[in-house]
Amino acid sequence: ILNVEQSPQSLHVQEGDSTNFTCSFPSSNFYALHWYRWETAKSPEALFVMTLNGDEKKKGRISATLNTKEGYSYLYIKGSQPEDSATYLCALTDSWGKLQFGAGTQVVVTP
Amino acid sequence: EAGVVQSPRYKIIEKKQPVAFWCNPISGHNTLYWYLQNLGQGPELLIRYENEEAVDDSQLPKDRFSAERLKGVDSTLKIQPAELGDSAVYLCASSHRDSGLNEQFFGPGTRLTVL
Repeated sequence: ILNVEQSPQSLHVQEGDSTNFTCSFPSSNFYALHWYRWETAKSPEALFVMTLNGDEKKKGRISATLNTKEGYSYLYIKGSQPEDSATYLCALTDSWGKLQFGAGTQVVVTP
Repeated sequence: EAGVVQSPRYKIIEKKQPVAFWCNPISGHNTLYWYLQNLGQGPELLIRYENEEAVDDSQLPKDRFSAERLKGVDSTLKIQPAELGDSAVYLCASSHRDSGLNEQFFGPGTRLTVL
């Protein structure tokens, strides 16, 4: 079982502020890392799949970086909006294709 | 393209009652997954199907949980009898065999409350 940890567990952000949070994982035998956004009462939505050390991905105001050597990924939200309120999950894929999820970071953006 | 469909979205039952969840994956996706998500935790895999074959059910509590995917498309997950600790969100996901990075697409889940 891969130990995937996310921090913080939750955070409150003022609308317009930027924020970031972390996903940590074992650096050995890395295969791929996924970020999902899960809004209340909706399906978890895939944001990024990252495989290479130093990878940076961007989707609108959301971006992510990956450091496989030290075992962490950051997710950034620039200029947070109320619609960014969600739980952000990261998950590691092993070579068998199995996803191991972290507990998520719950983001609440207040107007 | 239609996404993963799950029903019901919400279910409230009394303990010791049976309950069943249904999932229709994205058309053409041969791999189907059932996950359990407890409050404050990430989703945990219960069972994975490749077509109609269960290839990983090591985390499925087989004394009370069962699943089937008879024709390799739709799937049902059953709990009998339900216990208080089964209250959780049950997520279904699917992926295509050619997805080398195992990109999974999720349904909205069924939120189960056991009283």
